[in-house]
Amino acid sequence: GQNIDQPTEMTATEGAIVQINCTYQTSGFNGLFWYQQHAGEAPTFLSYNVLDGLEEKGRFSSFLSRSKGYSYLLLKELQMKDSASYLCAVRPPGDYKLSFGAGTTVTVRA
Amino acid sequence: NAGVMQNPRHLVRRRGQEARLRCSPMKGHSHVYWYRQLPEEGLKFMVYLQKENIIDESGMPKERFSAEFPKEGPSILRIQQVVRGDSAAYFCASSPGTLNTEAFFGQGTRLTVV
Repeated sequence: GQNIDQPTEMTATEGAIVQINCTYQTSGFNGLFWYQQHAGEAPTFLSYNVLDGLEEKGRFSSFLSRSKGYSYLLLKELQMKDSASYLCAVRPPGDYKLSFGAGTTVTVRA
Repeated sequence: NAGVMQNPRHLVRRRGQEARLRCSPMKGHSHVYWYRQLPEEGLKFMVYLQKENIIDESGMPKERFSAEFPKEGPSILRIQQVVRGDSAAYFCASSPGTLNTEAFFGQGTRLTVV
């Protein structure tokens, strides 16, 4: 099974950096995903890590350490529109479905 | 290329009625997943289907819930004899048949049972 933990809430100031951590305990692993979800809307894909290291995509970066069962999503130069829930999800080996954490609600203040 | 289409966006049912939720995957996608999201909670996996086959229904309640993905037409999530606890947002996602790709989500159907 999957056990995925991430903080419930985080608050940061516009222009700042926020790091959202995600730890997982799984019986196997075949990739970690980050999604963004604004209230009342569909989750949208942000990043995918399957190998250790940092993946950078504009203002968003995602890091993975498979040996530690740990990932983080880094949001730089925060904008008000970044206020949303950020979902960490793990894909088991040989499987297509995703197991999601409860999500981290990020609030960006002016 | 249209995204994942779900309808209706909002559905109100009285207790005991049936709810039918529809999902049309993205063009070229053969895998469909249904998730349920309760207020302030994460997405919970319900069922994974390919055309005409249920691959994994481990997250779906054994009673009152069923899902199908026919050869022609959308995937349907059916909830019979709805109860207040079924009120939630139901999201459908689709992906192509390769492992190293993300799933794309629809806008969801918000079911309210009154």
